[in-house]
Amino acid sequence: SQTIHQWPATLVQPVGSPLSLECTVEGTSNPNLYWYRQAAGRGLQLLFYSVGIGQISSEVPQNLSASRPQDRQFILSSKKLLLSDSGFYLCAWSAGLAGAGGETQYFGPGTRLLVL
Amino acid sequence: AQSVTQPDIHITVSEGASLELRCNYSYGATPYLFWYVQSPGQGLQLLLKYFSGDTLVQGIKGFEAEFKRSQSSFNLRKPSVHWSDAAEYFCAVGRNAGNMLTFGGGTRLMVKP
Repeated sequence: SQTIHQWPATLVQPVGSPLSLECTVEGTSNPNLYWYRQAAGRGLQLLFYSVGIGQISSEVPQNLSASRPQDRQFILSSKKLLLSDSGFYLCAWSAGLAGAGGETQYFGPGTRLLVL
Repeated sequence: AQSVTQPDIHITVSEGASLELRCNYSYGATPYLFWYVQSPGQGLQLLLKYFSGDTLVQGIKGFEAEFKRSQSSFNLRKPSVHWSDAAEYFCAVGRNAGNMLTFGGGTRLMVKP
């Protein structure tokens, strides 16, 4: 069966420090991968998605970047964190069927980031 | 562009009472529709999904949802709520390109004993 991991689970970082959040998926090949942010009391905002190694699409211009160095690894990064980057970051995967729509997305446990 | 509206930000029901969470969507084609549940500090778990066919969809944990095209709605229901159902519920519509989801703002459910 497929599983999705995120780490760290919780992170407290000072403003201006770098960030690296990691997401890995097991039990599937060539998944679509997604990064979402959930600010306190708000819904989910799609940040990035990837349909393959090195292929990253950004949904919202921001202080963050994403990379996909391996098929089942998705990394969210920042060079300098802002206070507004605080939130709950969720990684998700779906079956990477080209041209198919409506594939279910499966979510990881999330990383809670607090920028002080 | 597609959008999803969950009109109720908070809902409180008594344990054992019935539940209906509302979801309205805007999408130009036949939508793919999902309901997810999120317990505090956790990721999202899929409750059910609608792709095509029967408009009444059964999900896990005793939940069901009905797709009504004429009303652009996909409301989630449960006949008898349990205390463990207290969580935040998200409705989402899927779009083909990139297989992405657009989420509603969520409804936080509280269950009174």
